[in-house]
Amino acid sequence: KNEVEQSPQNLTAQEGEFITINCSYSVGISALHWLQQHPGGGIVSLFMLSSGKKKHGRLIATINIQEKHSSLHITASHPRDSAVYICAVTGNQFYFGTGTSLTVIP
Amino acid sequence: DAGVIQSPRHEVTEMGQEVTLRCKPISGHNSLFWYRQTMMRGLELLIYFNNNVPIDDSGMPEDRFSAKMPNASFSTLKIQPSEPRDSAVYFCASKQGASEKLFFGSGTQLSVL
Repeated sequence: KNEVEQSPQNLTAQEGEFITINCSYSVGISALHWLQQHPGGGIVSLFMLSSGKKKHGRLIATINIQEKHSSLHITASHPRDSAVYICAVTGNQFYFGTGTSLTVIP
Repeated sequence: DAGVIQSPRHEVTEMGQEVTLRCKPISGHNSLFWYRQTMMRGLELLIYFNNNVPIDDSGMPEDRFSAKMPNASFSTLKIQPSEPRDSAVYFCASKQGASEKLFFGSGTQLSVL
């Protein structure tokens, strides 16, 4: 049983498309993180949120605490957005999703 | 700021040897996390420290693993003795306060032969 489920597992998009990655969780949490892992392996924390919505450039993250669901949106996608996006939640413990592999084609 | 610094970047060792991974968090950050990433299990939290004190080590796989944080600017993760199944990328991350983003190091790629 996975405490954090992400969908889709893999996603291929054309440059410029609007992209949505979903994350559902089954545990009580204090915060949810969206992480980006580049092909070289480095991990960057994109967002940490516990309610509502956050925006940074072309990235938008939303969370619905009642529905235990979060989405990461990328507007006007670009090949440099190609990466694995990982959802993680913190509560009593840390739980990670298995990641969504995004490829943006020029 | 140089970010979270991990060393070494790569470590290749033989089964049974002791391995020590090092991490220097961002100055001023009071929480430090050790993670392991494998293809099979993805990212897993091993242990985290708040103000140099271990808070949750429930993710440490077994007694062969130990972590220390002797001061606010340095932490080690030790595996003794190492086994091939310990082969993974080990990440260190730090943050300041309860409501801040995590900052990750570049990771240590460990291969145990």
